[in-house]
Amino acid sequence: QKEVEQNSGPLSVPEGAIASLNCTYSDRGSQSFFWYRQYSGKSPELIMFIYSNGDKEDGRFTAQLNKASQYVSLLIRDSQPSDSATYLCAVGYMDTGRRALTFGSGTRLQVQP
Amino acid sequence: DTAVSQTPKYLVTQMGNDKSIKCEQNLGHDTMYWYKQDSKKFLKIMFSYNNKELIINETVPNRFSPKSPDKAHLNLHINSLELGDSAVYFCASSPGGTDTQYFGPGTRLTVL
Repeated sequence: QKEVEQNSGPLSVPEGAIASLNCTYSDRGSQSFFWYRQYSGKSPELIMFIYSNGDKEDGRFTAQLNKASQYVSLLIRDSQPSDSATYLCAVGYMDTGRRALTFGSGTRLQVQP
Repeated sequence: DTAVSQTPKYLVTQMGNDKSIKCEQNLGHDTMYWYKQDSKKFLKIMFSYNNKELIINETVPNRFSPKSPDKAHLNLHINSLELGDSAVYFCASSPGGTDTQYFGPGTRLTVL
C-alpha cells in the first residue's frame, strides 16, 4: 500500500511570510514528486515537480526532496492571500509496468492579509 | 484552446439512474485517467488508459465502466447510481513515459 501523508492544516501564515508545506511517502522506490494547488471548487493545478534530491526553485516556489528521509516539501516565499488554497502532494510509482500517482489528502493554506 | 475538458460540469440525478461523463484532451497525451474526489478532498485514482488500453483498474464497483473510443477521449459510464457515488470526478491526462498529469475542470455528481 503506497501512502502519502500530509498535515491537513489549516496552516495559517501572514502575508509576506514563508509558508512551508510538508509531505512524507512510504514507497522508497518512488522517483517523481509533484505539488498541485487546488482552489476551492476548482481542479488540481500542477505547480512544481521534482525528481532529484535537493532543491528546485521556480519563482516564489521551492520544492525540496530528501529521498533518504522519504520527505518532500514546498516552500512558498512572500506568501500572498491568493496563495490560499489546498496543496496536494503527489508521488509517482511504477507497478507491473503501469505508472500512477498517489495523492496525499492535502494541506489547506491560509494567508492572512 | 482548453487542454482537458469534461462534460457536464454538474450532474444531479436520482438513485438508480445511469449517467455518463465525457472527457477530451487536445494535448496529444497518451494516457488518460479518472479520479474521484470525495467530500474530504481525498483524490483517488479509479482508472487509467494508455492509447485506448485499460492500464489501471483500481477497486471500484463494476457499476463504473470507462470507455476510450480514441486516444483523446475517455468517458465514464455509471450504472445504478448510489448516494455514495456523490463526489467530484476529475479526468486527467499525461504524456507518454511521464507521471506529470494535467487535470480537467471536474464534474460534480450529486445523487439524490
